[in-house]
Amino acid sequence: DTGVSQDPRHKITKRGQNVTFRCDPISEHNRLYWYRQTLGQGPEFLTYFQNEAQLEKSRLLSDRFSAERPKGSFSTLEIQRTEQGDSAMYLCASRPQGEGGELFFGEGSRLTVL
Amino acid sequence: AQSVTQLGSHVSVSEGALVLLRCNYSSSVPPYLFWYVQYPNQGLQLLLKYTSAATLVKGINGFEAEFKKSETSFHLTKPSAHMSDAAEYFCAVSPNSGYSTLTFGKGTMLLVSP
Repeated sequence: DTGVSQDPRHKITKRGQNVTFRCDPISEHNRLYWYRQTLGQGPEFLTYFQNEAQLEKSRLLSDRFSAERPKGSFSTLEIQRTEQGDSAMYLCASRPQGEGGELFFGEGSRLTVL
Repeated sequence: AQSVTQLGSHVSVSEGALVLLRCNYSSSVPPYLFWYVQYPNQGLQLLLKYTSAATLVKGINGFEAEFKKSETSFHLTKPSAHMSDAAEYFCAVSPNSGYSTLTFGKGTMLLVSP
């Protein structure tokens, strides 16, 4: 039984570069979420997919951020023209069909923008 | 709208002492409530959840929490702390319907001394 996997676990980049993170959810989960966590804060919601449809986006998701889930399986989160304020842990989570219930989180992808 | 307040960014206890981590929530609809634990450089792991069944919820590692609607609280307790409990703990709330996203508190770091 594999959990949610994220890649890469760590990414160091220079300001202005583009970065992409990948998330593979638990295979039978059709709902996928991205959160961002900065030091000393709880996770903050970024966006949500049900199958391949992106159903909700937070105001935190600026135009430089884009997320996709092309076939309703894995998802990617791309950040264009990174800024130092983008440094954070990016967490992916998934959940099966059905009301309520917990999210199953991956280990996260830590981004450091120099 | 929903929100979570966790009182105390840090809580220190001695090994064997009672652990009490406080969480108060605000929700315009009946909530689901969750406690997650996060170890350094890892994702979030579910400790326990309240989904409108029993108000006293037991979780993993000896933790439990009680839903008190009148006090809008969902405090986490453990009778006897272990060194391995040292971690960051997050309370989260979601509406009890649909795909609803979880809203997290800022977290409480639990420090356990020998």
